[in-house]
Amino acid sequence: NAGVTQTPKFQVLKTGQSMTLQCAQDMNHEYMSWYRQDPGMGLRLIHYSVGAGITDQGEVPNGYNVSRSTTEDFPLRLLSAAPSQTSVYFCASSQASGRDNEKLFFGSGTQLSVL
Amino acid sequence: DAKTTQPNSMESNEEEPVHLPCNHSTISGTDYIHWYRQLPSQGPEYVIHGLTSNVNNRMASLAIAEDRKSSTLILHRATLRDAAVYYCILVQTGANNLFFGTGTRLTVIP
Repeated sequence: NAGVTQTPKFQVLKTGQSMTLQCAQDMNHEYMSWYRQDPGMGLRLIHYSVGAGITDQGEVPNGYNVSRSTTEDFPLRLLSAAPSQTSVYFCASSQASGRDNEKLFFGSGTQLSVL
Repeated sequence: DAKTTQPNSMESNEEEPVHLPCNHSTISGTDYIHWYRQLPSQGPEYVIHGLTSNVNNRMASLAIAEDRKSSTLILHRATLRDAAVYYCILVQTGANNLFFGTGTRLTVIP
């Protein structure tokens, strides 16, 4: 029972480089989202999706792109990394509706450093 | 989104009960009260949620004030594994997005 899987676990980038953080879930969840967590802070919502082909912005979307071509995958793209994007990134998923739809399942995170 | 207020940190002795408070004076009638916790170097995990009535599950109990302006997460016997940051979050009915505060860091003393 894999749940929510994030790769890579650690990544170091140079300013201006691009990369994609991968997130996959095997629970057939419609809703998926990305959060970032800076030291000593709570998580902040970057982007979210309520189903394949549908994405929307969260609290802090600037500098990040997402797409949702399948139910299982929700990659997060940094087109031109900046030091301000140094953070720990968490992916989460849940049912989009129905009983307990607000119960989110989180991945174990990707620690990203931008030099 | 309605805000919650939690103490920054709390301590508990191992095997004793822990009561983690949360104030949410601007809660609306359609807001559920959710609790998540985040163990060191891990993603948050769901603990419990409720609307009006007190709730129990295998992890914890949730006591909700009659006016719903505050709630308390109860861990009946704290273990070292319960050391984590606990987040109290209000979630509108049917919503999926969570808006985290800074939570309460619980330290369990052996």
